Amino acid sequence: GAVVSQHPSRVICKSGTSVKIECRSLDFQATTMFWYRQFPKQSLMLMATSNEGSKATYEQGVEKDKFLINHASLTLSTLTVTSAHPEDSSFYICSARESSGAGQETQYFGPGTRLLVL
Amino acid sequence: EDQVTQSPEALRLQEGESSSLNCSYTVSGLRGLFWYRQDPGKGPEFLFTLYSAGEEKEKERLKATLTKKESFLHITAPKPEDSATYLCAAGNKLTFGGGTRVLVKP
Repeated sequence: GAVVSQHPSRVICKSGTSVKIECRSLDFQATTMFWYRQFPKQSLMLMATSNEGSKATYEQGVEKDKFLINHASLTLSTLTVTSAHPEDSSFYICSARESSGAGQETQYFGPGTRLLVL
Repeated sequence: EDQVTQSPEALRLQEGESSSLNCSYTVSGLRGLFWYRQDPGKGPEFLFTLYSAGEEKEKERLKATLTKKESFLHITAPKPEDSATYLCAAGNKLTFGGGTRVLVKP
């Protein structure tokens, strides 16, 4: 299957600082990427949909000014957690949608980024 | 609102003991029913996509089937390495179910 990478895999930061997470599709182009967060023993919750060349679409309850998303190219989307606080500590996972033709699409996920805000 | 529900929440199996996981869905537009495997601390790994009722797909000891309202993931003669959380997802925004944590004991 297609490969999606994330960087960094783990980050620890102080409260009030900003953290940037990169998501790359390595062997395909993705006009649409997604950002999820996952709390321990819970399922994935969609935060926002990232569209190349346009503004991201945020899910209800997700602050767009706090979670800045940039989809600068067909292989890269970034999520910046601004002024991070301890409650932002979570597992952030991105995915990229690959279109294989005939209307069939598959989302491939990155390995995730563990954020700990002290 | 799209809804995806998985059962059971957890499943403990002996090695070789076959079982099935259920995924019920109510979505406004089915662009595919997806199954993923997730190991602790890692991102979901793609397993299958099913697009129409009656479709079946297999991969090693796993077999996924689809009806109009639900999907099943059958695990045949599981091994300890099949231990993981299995997630299903559906809908335009890929709504995820809560997952089934599978533990296979040797």
